[in-house]
Amino acid sequence: DVKVTQSSRYLVKRTGEKVFLECVQDMDHENMFWYRQDPGLGLRLIYFSYDVKMKEKGDIPEGYSVSREKKERFSLILESASTNQTSMYLCASRKQQTAQETQYFGPGTRLLVL
Amino acid sequence: GENVEQHPSTLSVQEGDSAVIKCTYSDSASNYFPWYKQELGKRPQLIIDIRSNVGEKKDQRIAVTLNKTAKHFSLHITETQPEDSAVYFCAAIETGANNLFFGTGTRLTVIP
Repeated sequence: DVKVTQSSRYLVKRTGEKVFLECVQDMDHENMFWYRQDPGLGLRLIYFSYDVKMKEKGDIPEGYSVSREKKERFSLILESASTNQTSMYLCASRKQQTAQETQYFGPGTRLLVL
Repeated sequence: GENVEQHPSTLSVQEGDSAVIKCTYSDSASNYFPWYKQELGKRPQLIIDIRSNVGEKKDQRIAVTLNKTAKHFSLHITETQPEDSAVYFCAAIETGANNLFFGTGTRLTVIP
């Protein structure tokens, strides 16, 4: 059974703080993704990675960076948190063999920036 | 790139009635269309998917239809139950691509 875990379920940070969100998957998936989920806006892709040390910008990369030093771990970094980054952050992973592979999501991190 | 539109954004039905959620996509190269269900406070999970070589797929009370010519696909839930209440996301992707393109979600409420 695929497991995607995220380091925190809830986080409260102050404006200007550096924030790290970590995601770990245990099924040797090549692809990993970070989304943010806001009411009425669905799942918006921030960044994704298709291999170690590889990253691609998604639809809303501004204000975020990512790191993938190991295949199982994909980190999202908010260099200087702002209130408009208050959101639910979802990590996901998927095997790369074909596009028709199930994508598995983590439980989400609800981030509040004060 | 691909653009997926999903309607309606909210849907309320009486228990036992059917619910239909519709999605359209823009890229004719897309050939795989999964549907995810996200219950309140939980992660999205795949509930059904369809490939472009199939027009319809059914799994108990859930079915998905695909019209490649019109570039739209739909989720049908029959005999709805309160536990069907959730946000549903459609998505599309083409072979060789890395990331799914999601619709904006439909919040389904089943009224007991």
